[in-house]
Amino acid sequence: DTEVTQTPKHLVMGMTNKKSLKCEQHMGHRAMYWYKQKAKKPPELMFVYSYEKLSINESVPSRFSPECPNSSLLNLHLHALQPEDSALYLCASSQEPNYGYTFGSGTRLTVV
Amino acid sequence: GNSVTQMEGPVTLSEEAFLTINCTYTATGYPSLFWYVQYPGEGLQLLLKATKADDKGSNKGFEATYRKETTSFHLEKGSVQVSDSAVYFCALLDNYGQNFVFGPGTRLSVLP
Repeated sequence: DTEVTQTPKHLVMGMTNKKSLKCEQHMGHRAMYWYKQKAKKPPELMFVYSYEKLSINESVPSRFSPECPNSSLLNLHLHALQPEDSALYLCASSQEPNYGYTFGSGTRLTVV
Repeated sequence: GNSVTQMEGPVTLSEEAFLTINCTYTATGYPSLFWYVQYPGEGLQLLLKATKADDKGSNKGFEATYRKETTSFHLEKGSVQVSDSAVYFCALLDNYGQNFVFGPGTRLSVLP
């Protein structure tokens, strides 16, 4: 298995909703990442987990809450989002960053 | 800080034309360099990489050579196909392996 699987592919949520994005990889990669990508822009790093511990939080608002239950799973819990949070949320993993990242196909989030 | 600059496009070519997408970087030390491709509605895929000066990365007919003297990593392909239409991101990983920086992306459209 050489894929990163993200679910759901599309999500529409209201500003008072609570939802979660899920990311899964079975490549034994030690690091997992959440990126946010706005239209026609490059991905922006949000969080990095290394060996299941949060190692980087790029000053992301607390309405985004990451969780790494085990070495294969990464969640992003969403609460009280704003319309400007609408974007493509990408998960990635790597065994060694110099080898490059493996990205999932993303969750396209729309906040209404 | 580290940064990546690339031509933003859009670049429009006819099928079988020669492709060059310029990428230059600013970084301390000896970063690793990458090209990622994003097809419509999908996540990013690693296209090729180079980890030291004068290395040439290649994949699927695409090539790029790590030029330290000009701090460049230009992407080339001898004969593009309609299926190459996508957004191409140049990226660097600093020599501490902690900071992955993407360029703004170059949108390529190949016409039949």
